[in-house]
Amino acid sequence: DGGITQSPKYLFRKEGQNVTLSCEQNLNHDAMYWYRQDPGQGLRLIYYSQIVNDFQKGDIAEGYSVSREKKESFPLTVTSAQKNPTAFYLCASSSQGRNYEQYFGPGTRLTVT
Amino acid sequence: LAKTTQPISMDSYEGQEVNITCSHNNIATNDYITWYQQFPSQGPRFIIQGYKTKVTNEVASLFIPADRKSSTLSLPRVSLSDTAVYYCLVDPSGGYQKVTFGTGTKLQVIP
Repeated sequence: DGGITQSPKYLFRKEGQNVTLSCEQNLNHDAMYWYRQDPGQGLRLIYYSQIVNDFQKGDIAEGYSVSREKKESFPLTVTSAQKNPTAFYLCASSSQGRNYEQYFGPGTRLTVT
Repeated sequence: LAKTTQPISMDSYEGQEVNITCSHNNIATNDYITWYQQFPSQGPRFIIQGYKTKVTNEVASLFIPADRKSSTLSLPRVSLSDTAVYYCLVDPSGGYQKVTFGTGTKLQVIP
């Protein structure tokens, strides 16, 4: 089955530690995205990538880093510089074309204490 | 990027038709209008997309007037399982440009 996987579903870390969230897709999509969602809020774009080895900052990139070494993978690292890292993180991908539909993964809920 | 405005919340009884309107006054010529649905603790799911007039699929209908400054998502005969947040987005067509998810409309279906 094609789709996007994110792991783990729940993640707990101590303050001051970096943590990497995994996102893999087998939809052969060129574009991938990372969003953050806080309780009762909409999605905010962290980073997006249009093609392998290229990515751009979204609206709230500070304290985060990404890489895109493979078309299928777009891991997100939440660094210790991110002041409020506790949130629900969503990864998405899309293909090129007029029907610009984003496919989302199940999300990772990160709790930092 | 075009900004969208939609009601924060709506209530509806089971079995009724629900219409959620989205305003996008500065929509550009090449922009499509897309709606997503999100259940708690899940990623959003694509519902429907359109450019003008009316689009219908097995889940919903999308009505877009001639000036395209607004759009209305219509959900026929809602059930309790339609309780979710609905997002209206304005997408540049055929590209990778980033889009903005607002806070959406929280639809509560009442038995």
